[in-house]
Amino acid sequence: EAGVAQSPRYKIIEKRQSVAFWCNPISGHATLYWYQQILGQGPKLLIQFQNNGVVDDSQLPKDRFSAERLKGVDSTLKIQPAKLEDSAVYLCASSLDEALLSMNTEAFFGQGTRLTVV
Amino acid sequence: SQQGEEDPQALSIQEGENATMNCSYKTSINNLQWYRQNSGRGLVHLILIRSNEREKHSGRLRVTLDTSKKSSSLLITASRAADTASYFCATGETGGFKTIFGAGTRLFVKA
Repeated sequence: EAGVAQSPRYKIIEKRQSVAFWCNPISGHATLYWYQQILGQGPKLLIQFQNNGVVDDSQLPKDRFSAERLKGVDSTLKIQPAKLEDSAVYLCASSLDEALLSMNTEAFFGQGTRLTVV
Repeated sequence: SQQGEEDPQALSIQEGENATMNCSYKTSINNLQWYRQNSGRGLVHLILIRSNEREKHSGRLRVTLDTSKKSSSLLITASRAADTASYFCATGETGGFKTIFGAGTRLFVKA
């Protein structure tokens, strides 16, 4: 079974520039997550999709971050403009979820994109 | 916001010893999951325990869940140097699909 694919693996940009990350979840997984993980901290949920609808984006800085999930499959996360504090690893994850039980299931993570803003 | 809080923040043990990590959370949950993250890598799912379960085993891992105390523990028995990693608990909130992570415990197993 292919895992969650993310690209690029690394990105270095200057502050105020724009950047986009791409994620291809595991086939058939309805739920897709984007997490931000700052060095030494746990992953922080930015946005969660159920198919192509947004379930939660309460911690997404909407003035600079945006995300979409086209056709309920691939997803892109964009930062525009980037700030120094956006330096982090951006993790994409997907899960099958047991919708009938209203219960989440284990999440499968990609390798992440390490963003450095200078 | 982070739901779970792991304790201790860091743990250093000798190979062969057992390692115990604890997680406390705040809201009602459907399940609790433990993940491992090796340095610079993605997270790997270890075990999921549902809210109606009290204990679960997987190989050298033993997880307990006490919903009355809103806490869980992860025990790694007979630790190995390869177990060196960060361990995170993640909670699935009741009535939803959100998975919220704690700050993690950094485990160092010395050979």
